Amino acid sequence: EAGVAQSPRYKIIEKRQSVAFWCNPISGHATLYWYQQILGQGPKLLIQFQNNGVVDDSQLPKDRFSAERLKGVDSTLKIQPAKLEDSAVYLCASSTYGGELFFGEGSRLTVL
Amino acid sequence: SQQGEEDPQALSIQEGENATMNCSYKTSINNLQWYRQNSGRGLVHLILIRSNEREKHSGRLRVTLDTSKKSSSLLITASRAADTASYFCATGPNSGGSNYKLTFGKGTLLTVNP
Repeated sequence: EAGVAQSPRYKIIEKRQSVAFWCNPISGHATLYWYQQILGQGPKLLIQFQNNGVVDDSQLPKDRFSAERLKGVDSTLKIQPAKLEDSAVYLCASSTYGGELFFGEGSRLTVL
Repeated sequence: SQQGEEDPQALSIQEGENATMNCSYKTSINNLQWYRQNSGRGLVHLILIRSNEREKHSGRLRVTLDTSKKSSSLLITASRAADTASYFCATGPNSGGSNYKLTFGKGTLLTVNP
């Protein structure tokens, strides 16, 4: 069974630039999550999708972050404009409802 | 805010020893999960324990749950160098509905010295 795919693995940008991350979840998983993990901390939920609908985006900085999940499958997370404090690993995960989460390898963002 | 808090923040042991990590949480839960994260990698699910369970085993892992104390522990027996990683507990809320949100703690960094 293929796992959660994420790209790019690494991205370096300057502040005020934009960046986009892509995630392809495990086939059949209705729930998709984007987490932000700052170095030395646990993952913080940014947004949760159930199929292609948003069920929780309470911790998403909506002035600069946006996410979408087209057709209830792939998802993209965009940051525009980026700030220094956005430097982190962005983790995508998917699951069946209420089940264990399967994570991708993450996209490491460095904002200079 | 993060629901689970792991203790200790860091743990260093010798290969062959047992490692115990603890997790405390604040609100009622449906289940509690433990994940492992190797450096630079994504998280990997280890074990899930439901609120009506008290203990669960998986290989060298033993998890306990005490809902009256709102705490859980993860025991890794006969540790190996390959067990070196960060370990996170994550709690699933007791509320129903579509908003099943898993909240992670800050993790315990385990170092197993060969």
